[in-house]
Amino acid sequence: SQTIHQWPATLVQPVGSPLSLECTVEGTSNPNLYWYRQAAGRGLQLLFYSVGIGQISSEVPQNLSASRPQDRQFILSSKKLLLSDSGFYLCASHREGYNSPLHFGNGTRLTVT
Amino acid sequence: KQEVTQIPAALSVPEGENLVLNCSFTDSAIYNLQWFRQDPGKGLTSLLLIQSSQREQTSGRLNASLDKSSGRSTLYIAASQPGDSATYLCAVNTGGFKTIFGAGTRLFVKA
Repeated sequence: SQTIHQWPATLVQPVGSPLSLECTVEGTSNPNLYWYRQAAGRGLQLLFYSVGIGQISSEVPQNLSASRPQDRQFILSSKKLLLSDSGFYLCASHREGYNSPLHFGNGTRLTVT
Repeated sequence: KQEVTQIPAALSVPEGENLVLNCSFTDSAIYNLQWFRQDPGKGLTSLLLIQSSQREQTSGRLNASLDKSSGRSTLYIAASQPGDSATYLCAVNTGGFKTIFGAGTRLFVKA
């Protein structure tokens, strides 16, 4: 079965500092990978998705970027964090395309101070 | 633009009760609908996936139905337990890489 690892679980960063969140997937190859952000009391917002190594699509213009250096590794980054970047970040994967279940990691709680 | 709504936003029931959570979507052109469970501070756990050609899916005490033409899905939980307390989210896939999520129903089952 598929397992998605995210780290760190929680992170407190000052405004203007860089960010790197990592996601790795086990139990599948060539998955579709996603970064979502969840705001309190609201639905999930898709930030980025990737269908393969080096292939990144951005859904919303913002202060963040994503990279996929390996088949099962997905990284969310920022050069300078803003207060508005605070939130719960979730990595997700479609193992066999979008008509298969979407699976999530345990998320990273980011607080920008 | 596809929108997903879940009502009620919160629900409190006594242990043992059967309950129904509702999900509605505005555009019937979907590929599938998925129900998730989210515990506080955790990621989403997939419960059931219903393809657009299916009417329902069952897993243990959970049964999810889909009526595409009316833009509705229900998640039925039988004989609720305190361990079922969590937020339940539904999400529709509109094709490709877009999955649209509802804001969730927060369920509390009292012992």
